[in-house]
Formats: sequence, structure tokens, C-alpha cells
Amino acid sequence: EDQVTQSPEALRLQEGESSSLNCSYTVSGLRGLFWYRQDPGKGPEFLFTLYSAGEEKEKERLKATLTKKESFLHITAPKPEDSATYLCAVQANSGYALNFGKGTSLLVTP
Amino acid sequence: DAGVIQSPRHEVTEMGQEVTLRCKPISGHNSLFWYRQTMMRGLELLIYFNNNVPIDDSGMPEDRFSAKMPNASFSTLKIQPSEPRDSAVYFCASSTHSGTGEQFFGPGTRLTVL
Repeated sequence: EDQVTQSPEALRLQEGESSSLNCSYTVSGLRGLFWYRQDPGKGPEFLFTLYSAGEEKEKERLKATLTKKESFLHITAPKPEDSATYLCAVQANSGYALNFGKGTSLLVTP
Repeated sequence: DAGVIQSPRHEVTEMGQEVTLRCKPISGHNSLFWYRQTMMRGLELLIYFNNNVPIDDSGMPEDRFSAKMPNASFSTLKIQPSEPRDSAVYFCASSTHSGTGEQFFGPGTRLTVL
């Protein structure tokens, strides 16, 4: 059975304090690993798709990386507007459903 | 370009009542998904449509839940009768690529069953 575990559950950073969020996964044949951002009261917003180990993608202060067992979302010099819940999901070769982790709630304080 | 549209945004109803949630996917997308989000279980897939045809409804909790997609631009999720444990946020998402690849989510419907 596919499993996705995100850590930490919650993270508080000072503005400018870089850090990383972790997503560990087990899946029988990975089609893709997805990162989403979710703000309170809103739907998940697509950020990145990673397909194979070694792949990296960047967007502004965010950089996602992928290995065969986990993915990291690196946040460089975060700003308060980066505060949100970050969700990781995997899609298996055999299916189409996104299997989500419980998310990391990030708070960036000024 | 409009994203996925859901209505209503909030629904409060009493146990035993029928509830209908509505979704308009992104134009040109051929796959549609209904998810449910709760604090305890996170985001869970309920049902998946491809080209308006239900492909997998194994996530639908029980017979009280039903979903339809009469055309490429409209889907409904119906709960009849509703129960307090159905309280959650229900999301609709759409995708190209016949269900592979990234999915784009709507704003959700927050359902409260009293």
C-alpha cells in the first residue's frame, strides 16, 4: 500500500531563516511526486511535479528535490507570505489517485 | 482562465437531509476527481471520472454517496441521507492526461451536518 509521511507536522521560522520540509514515501512504481500549497479555507495549489530520482525544480524561494525514498522542499529566506500548509502526494504507475501526506504547517514570522 | 469552480462554498444541513455539491472543471480537462479532507484522515479520493465516465468509485464511503458527470463541464456529488460524520471539506479537482499528472483543485465546499 502506498504511504506518504511528512515531517515535521508544524514548523515555525523567522523571516529569512531557511529550512527544509521532508516527504518520505513508499509506492509500487512512482509515476510522479507532487507538491501543493494550501492556504486556510482554500484548495490545494499545485507547485511542482517530480518524476525521477535526482530531479530538481525551483520556483521563487522554493526548491523541490527527489530521491528514491523521499522528497525535500527547501525554502530559502522565507517571507511571511510563505506561511501555509505544504502537501506532498504520490501517484503510482498503476493508478491516477494522488495519495497525500498529512502536510507540514509552516508559519513564517516577521 | 477560470479554475475549477465549486458551489456552494459552505453548506450547513441537518442530519437526514439530502446534500448536493457541484463542480465545474477547467475547460479542456478530461479527468475529474472528488476528494474529501478531514483533520483525522487528510485528503482522500472518493471517485474519479475520465471522459465523463466513472472509472473508480472505491473511495465512496457507502451507498449514501453518489456522483454523476452528465457532461464535460459539470459534476455533482450527492449525499442522501447526510450524517454528522460526513462533515468535511469536499474538493473537486480536474486534470488533463486522462488522470495522470498534476491535478488542479477547486476552492472546496465546507459541509457541516448537524
